Amino acid sequence: ETGVTQTPRHLVMGMTNKKSLKCEQHLGHNAMYWYKQSAKKPLELMFVYNFKEQTENNSVPSRFSPECPNSSHLFLHLHTLQPEDSALYLCASSQDPGQGPDTQYFGPGTRLTVL
Amino acid sequence: GQNIDQPTEMTATEGAIVQINCTYQTSGFNGLFWYQQHAGEAPTFLSYNVLDGLEEKGRFSSFLSRSKGYSYLLLKELQMKDSASYLCAVRDSNYQLIWGAGTKLIIKP
Repeated sequence: ETGVTQTPRHLVMGMTNKKSLKCEQHLGHNAMYWYKQSAKKPLELMFVYNFKEQTENNSVPSRFSPECPNSSHLFLHLHTLQPEDSALYLCASSQDPGQGPDTQYFGPGTRLTVL
Repeated sequence: GQNIDQPTEMTATEGAIVQINCTYQTSGFNGLFWYQQHAGEAPTFLSYNVLDGLEEKGRFSSFLSRSKGYSYLLLKELQMKDSASYLCAVRDSNYQLIWGAGTKLIIKP
């Protein structure tokens, strides 16, 4: 248990569906992250929020839409996804980007399959 | 471009020692991390190096040479539960983490 929870753990959706992934952190951190993890590839940073403000968007397609209502919650809204978007989506949090080690703590991920 | 290299897969025997190497080329350096990830689970933090040398934490140690762009994770007295993927990540000058693809470690009895 890392203090970061994600729901759902598994999700199967069609290309025309709309779904949302949820992340919650119980660590009192100020920053939250979305990563995509595909088999045998490095983690890909998608979005970063620091104090609820988006600070990074690494050229992610608009079919992925993040939302950060407060420092403890992060959502990833999905619509009209493609089969190549099938992957493990990981949420992470950290205390303060740019300060010291600022270790990131990860949730267990949502395994997404797009049919 | 920025790059982190680590072996794709390694096999070791229970009770033995294994060293997982990581080499990096990044724009700037603000620390190197090792994470462990069991199949289907969250990556969990193992170690952080920002200065050259060896950091020891129980059965696990991590070494850094900034001049060589090189780190290794040393696991001693291997146990079956150490079977996992080990991820190397470097924080660059923009304070972004650049990740390697991970090394899958298989422990055999």
